[in-house]
Formats: sequence, structure tokens, C-alpha cells
Amino acid sequence: DSGVTQTPKHLITATGQRVTLRCSPRSGDLSVYWYQQSLDQGLQFLIQYYNGEERAKGNILERFSAQQFPDLHSELNLSSLELGDSALYFCASSVGFGEPQHFGDGTRLSIL
Amino acid sequence: DAKTTQPTSMDCAEGRAANLPCNHSTISGNEYVYWYRQIHSQGPQYIIHGLKNNETNEMASLIITEDRKSSTLILPHATLRDTAVYYCIAGDSGAGSYQLTFGKGTKLSVIP
Repeated sequence: DSGVTQTPKHLITATGQRVTLRCSPRSGDLSVYWYQQSLDQGLQFLIQYYNGEERAKGNILERFSAQQFPDLHSELNLSSLELGDSALYFCASSVGFGEPQHFGDGTRLSIL
Repeated sequence: DAKTTQPTSMDCAEGRAANLPCNHSTISGNEYVYWYRQIHSQGPQYIIHGLKNNETNEMASLIITEDRKSSTLILPHATLRDTAVYYCIAGDSGAGSYQLTFGKGTKLSVIP
């Protein structure tokens, strides 16, 4: 158990819809990271927040957005969903920069 | 982040040491070497990291060459549960951000 909690575990929805994925970091961790893993692209970094502020952006689509709340939990919002958005979405957290990241079990998103 | 090169796959007999190599010839002086593994579709699991010196923890040992251009992850007594994809990642905290760039990793199969 990494201590990082992601909900829901599975999500099935249709094209054009909007979903929200939630992540609770390990106690004491200030940084939250989101990654996407699809069959053809592997694990890709999407975005990082540190203590409520956006710190880095990776290959995140404009249809996707995220935020980190004062209690440090984070949400990843995916809108106008397309079939290609079907993937595993992982959240990770770390104490600070350069410290090891600890991953949750992921949310499996299926777009029908 | 420095690019890393790993063999696509490796086999190891159960109970024997598994030695997973990683080449990172373009690594810079402030970049750490991190190792993660992913068992099936679970979230990646942090194993170990190091900068210059060899490191050991309860899971594995990390041997970094003196020129830092390559490293080896050693699982001293591989078990069937160690079957996973192992990722070697080189990176630093940059300008206050830190993201992991995952390659394709090495698929380690531990054989009974």
C-alpha cells in the first residue's frame, strides 16, 4: 500500500462526456503528479502540483485540467472525452522535489 | 532529463540474483538515477535511487559506475513476485519541478 488513494478505480463513460478523477496523496506529501498510461503511449507525465500551485506541465491536452486543493488532494478533470482517452490514469505524490514518487493504484477509464 | 536505454526483456531463475542494466550515457551531474517497477497494470512502485554512490535498501541494490554513464539494479534473490516491468529513469528537480519520464523498461520474467 503506497498510501496514495485514487477514486474511482474504474470509470466507464461515453464520448463527449466529462469526468473527474480524484487523488489523495500520502500524508505529509505536498507534491501531486498525474500520469496517463495507454497501450500505445506508455506512461506519460501530465501535470504536477506542489502545495496548491501548478509546477510543471507535460503532455496534457487542453481538454484536461487539474487542481490541488488546500487539503492537498487533487482532481483531474477530463472533458469532451474521445475514444483515445481510454487509459489508466495514475496519481503519484512525493514529499518534495526530487524525492521518490509513490503511485496510487490508478483509475481505469473506458470510453465507449 | 537524460535518456536511458534498457534491454527489452530478461529472464531470471527463481532464487538467483537478477541484474538489470541501464545505460544513461548523457546523464548530467545533478541527475539522479531512479528505479521503479510496474507489476501488471498496478501503479509503478518505487524501488531505489542514487546519485553517485552505490545504494542498498530492503528491496534492491543499485550499482552506479564511476563515470555515471550506466547502472545496474540488483534484486539479490528473485522471486516470482518480482516479475514486472522495471524502469530506469534519470532526472533532477530542475526549476522546482520534477517529472518522471518513463521509457519502455525491461520486462523481467522470474522463472520457477
